[in-house]
Amino acid sequence: DAGVTQSPTHLIKTRGQQVTLRCSPKSGHDTVSWYQQALGQGPQFIFQYYEEEERQRGNFPDRFSGHQFPNYSSELNVNALLLGDSALYLCASSFEGAYTGELFFGEGSRLTVL
Amino acid sequence: QKEVEQNSGPLSVPEGAIASLNCTYSDRGSQSFFWYRQYSGKSPELIMFIYSNGDKEDGRFTAQLNKASQYVSLLIRDSQPSDSATYLCAVSGNTGKLIFGQGTTLQVKP
Repeated sequence: DAGVTQSPTHLIKTRGQQVTLRCSPKSGHDTVSWYQQALGQGPQFIFQYYEEEERQRGNFPDRFSGHQFPNYSSELNVNALLLGDSALYLCASSFEGAYTGELFFGEGSRLTVL
Repeated sequence: QKEVEQNSGPLSVPEGAIASLNCTYSDRGSQSFFWYRQYSGKSPELIMFIYSNGDKEDGRFTAQLNKASQYVSLLIRDSQPSDSATYLCAVSGNTGKLIFGQGTTLQVKP
């Protein structure tokens, strides 16, 4: 049973560029959430996708956008990258029909912006 | 005021001792409370969750919740060096959005 998979694991971009991160949820899960974790901080909620719609959004600018596909996989897009966007981006999945609060996290995509 | 607050530590305990990790939260509407463990360079993994006031035990771990005081704690008995990690407290309502604290770094010394 595959867990949550994310790609790429590491990437380096320069200021002003755009990046797309990808996530495949755990088998049987239909809800995907994205979190940003800066060094030494806890994860910060970016947004959550369910039924291909953004259901909730945290306090992040419109430069952060996402998408969920019919197979429940998801993408996180960040435009006009800033140095402060350097962080570990975590994808987490859950099953809406039996939500217990437990999120299953992928290993993350570490983004460095130079 | 941060929504979920934790002492960043590090908290250092000797092997075999009890480690006590604490967390306070600001939203009285919070319904679910979680403790995640995160090893350096790895993703968070859930170790305990608690919904009701009181204690919940799972092996060497005990979660304690006091909604009146808006306080959650995690006790780790017989601490092992392998318990050395960052422990993240998280709270949520009923929508799946988790609010995390900044985490407490635990060091268990042999």
